[in-house]
Amino acid sequence: SAVISQKPSRDICQRGTSLTIQCQVDSQVTMMFWYRQQPGQSLTLIATANQGSEATYESGFVIDKFPISRPNLTFSTLTVSNMSPEDSSIYLCSVEDGTGGSQPQHFGDGTRLSIL
Amino acid sequence: GQNIDQPTEMTATEGAIVQINCTYQTSGFNGLFWYQQHAGEAPTFLSYNVLDGLEEKGRFSSFLSRSKGYSYLLLKELQMKDSASYLCAVMDSNYQLIWGAGTKLIIKP
Repeated sequence: SAVISQKPSRDICQRGTSLTIQCQVDSQVTMMFWYRQQPGQSLTLIATANQGSEATYESGFVIDKFPISRPNLTFSTLTVSNMSPEDSSIYLCSVEDGTGGSQPQHFGDGTRLSIL
Repeated sequence: GQNIDQPTEMTATEGAIVQINCTYQTSGFNGLFWYQQHAGEAPTFLSYNVLDGLEEKGRFSSFLSRSKGYSYLLLKELQMKDSASYLCAVMDSNYQLIWGAGTKLIIKP
């Protein structure tokens, strides 16, 4: 399966600032996914990022708050903008292993974000 | 709406067997996944079921009944390192993953 490197692994940020999270994959993948996981809860999909097109955001998430870049088939970034304490969470990127049909997703190690 | 139900927490003894259930109601079905997530770590893929029946992979097995909207993950010969959360996820008709809240499994010596 693909090896996914995500950074930073953790950060503590001030309210009102922005942080960009990077996700690098060791192979070319069509779809990359960005999730949020709040303490003790399951995964919530923020958006799906395809190379060469605008990211597709899920209900409750908007581009102004979570801008995403996907410049090529091995890399994506998620920015958490104008952060507030409610954005404290783990942010995860994932990729599908293979193409076509139902493929498992594999995850980066996550970014643990705390906002003061 | 779409919904996946799992028990919040389960406790089992080292060396024993535990079954973690998952029921789902989704718009279509294109497979069910089980993931393991240790505290502070990312989820890791365990198993995939798309046809009815049992899939065995070492100490872990996963079962699916599509007519009942039901799956379980069976863990045998439990080890302390199996203490983790186990996430059930269903791929719907749009090939989107719907995630359960996860079951926290506590293994006692």
